[in-house]
Amino acid sequence: QKEVEQNSGPLSVPEGAIASLNCTYSDRGSQSFFWYRQYSGKSPELIMFIYSNGDKEDGRFTAQLNKASQYVSLLIRDSQPSDSATYLCAASDSNYQLIWGAGTKLIIKP
Amino acid sequence: GAVVSQHPSRVICKSGTSVKIECRSLDFQATTMFWYRQFPKQSLMLMATSNEGSKATYEQGVEKDKFLINHASLTLSTLTVTSAHPEDSSFYICSASSETRESPQYFGPGTRLLVL
Repeated sequence: QKEVEQNSGPLSVPEGAIASLNCTYSDRGSQSFFWYRQYSGKSPELIMFIYSNGDKEDGRFTAQLNKASQYVSLLIRDSQPSDSATYLCAASDSNYQLIWGAGTKLIIKP
Repeated sequence: GAVVSQHPSRVICKSGTSVKIECRSLDFQATTMFWYRQFPKQSLMLMATSNEGSKATYEQGVEKDKFLINHASLTLSTLTVTSAHPEDSSFYICSASSETRESPQYFGPGTRLLVL
């Protein structure tokens, strides 16, 4: 059974701090990993994707991948109230189908 | 980024009627499109995967005769909810992918269906 696990939260972070979201996956054959943000009542929006070990930075967001530990994380620097949302982690299997985590609810407190 | 549209955004229908939802990739060719359903405060649930020109692959527990999927071109997929009932009321979301390792799924804005 291929699984992606996330802490459901809520994760509460003060405004301006770094929010750290974590995800583990069970399928060692997974090649690509994605972070999506979903606001309440809206569809998911792609934040970042990563497929090489290490860090990938895009603005305030950094994705980190460690294939040996089967671990993916998303760091959000200088957190803003508008970052409050549910963050979904997904791993792509060999058929390009995404295995979804249940999501972590992030709350940025002003 | 890639843009996926979905129409209608919201639909209210009577029990027993059929509803068609369109999903279009506007600026890229989507070899694969996915249909999801999401109930309030619950996770995304994949319903089916469709490839252009071939039959859709349905997830376990999803009735293929009730949820008809057509993927006639590389930019258009449709989901028809046949003989809708109140329990079909949900948020239906499509996504599209060009099916390379570097290509994520890009989501449409979703369709909120209410069956009375």
